[in-house]
Amino acid sequence: DQQVKQNSPSLSVQEGRISILNCDYTNSMFDYFLWYKKYPAEGPTFLISISSIKDKNEDGRFTVFLNKSAKHLSLHIVPSQPGDSAVYFCAATRALYTGTASKLTFGTGTRLQVTL
Amino acid sequence: NAGVTQTPKFRILKIGQSMTLQCTQDMNHNYMYWYRQDPGMGLKLIYYSVGAGITDKGEVPNGYNVSRSTTEDFPLRLELAAPSQTSVYFCASSRTELQETQYFGPGTRLLVL
Repeated sequence: DQQVKQNSPSLSVQEGRISILNCDYTNSMFDYFLWYKKYPAEGPTFLISISSIKDKNEDGRFTVFLNKSAKHLSLHIVPSQPGDSAVYFCAATRALYTGTASKLTFGTGTRLQVTL
Repeated sequence: NAGVTQTPKFRILKIGQSMTLQCTQDMNHNYMYWYRQDPGMGLKLIYYSVGAGITDKGEVPNGYNVSRSTTEDFPLRLELAAPSQTSVYFCASSRTELQETQYFGPGTRLLVL
């Protein structure tokens, strides 16, 4: 049961254009969402997050949009750069689950290639 | 400051063998995690620890054991390796339970034949 889905395994975008990576979730209890970036032979690194009380969060070239009614979030990268070429994972959790370490549910990832 | 280090980087095991994946962090983080990533899949939590002496199961704990005797180290033990444990294993640590503060190691690629 894949509770977090990234239906596009790969995406190719020209340098300077916008990259849009999509993520859907099925568990309505999720209220905190994160995007991670992963280069080959390295561990994932945190990119940006959003709480369910917001519908948009921006950090430089990266913006995440959340549509709770559609259970959908997207990551926009503008402008895309060759260094953005990596695998991007969407993850979700229940942020109010305190007391012990919260548990992330990851999507399967989207490989972004930014071409010159 | 090395962050999170994992050894070995790559290992081939025969079915039924056992091994320990090492994870060390030098950031004095209380929280540590073990994930596995199967080909074409997302990361799944195996075990986690909220401090020395405290561990708990994640989503996919079967076939694994962990211990946390020190703040720095969080080894993952595989007993009786099976082909289904072929995966890339990532260790992570965080100062708090907020997910964005998780720092990941480079991973250990394990092949069970």
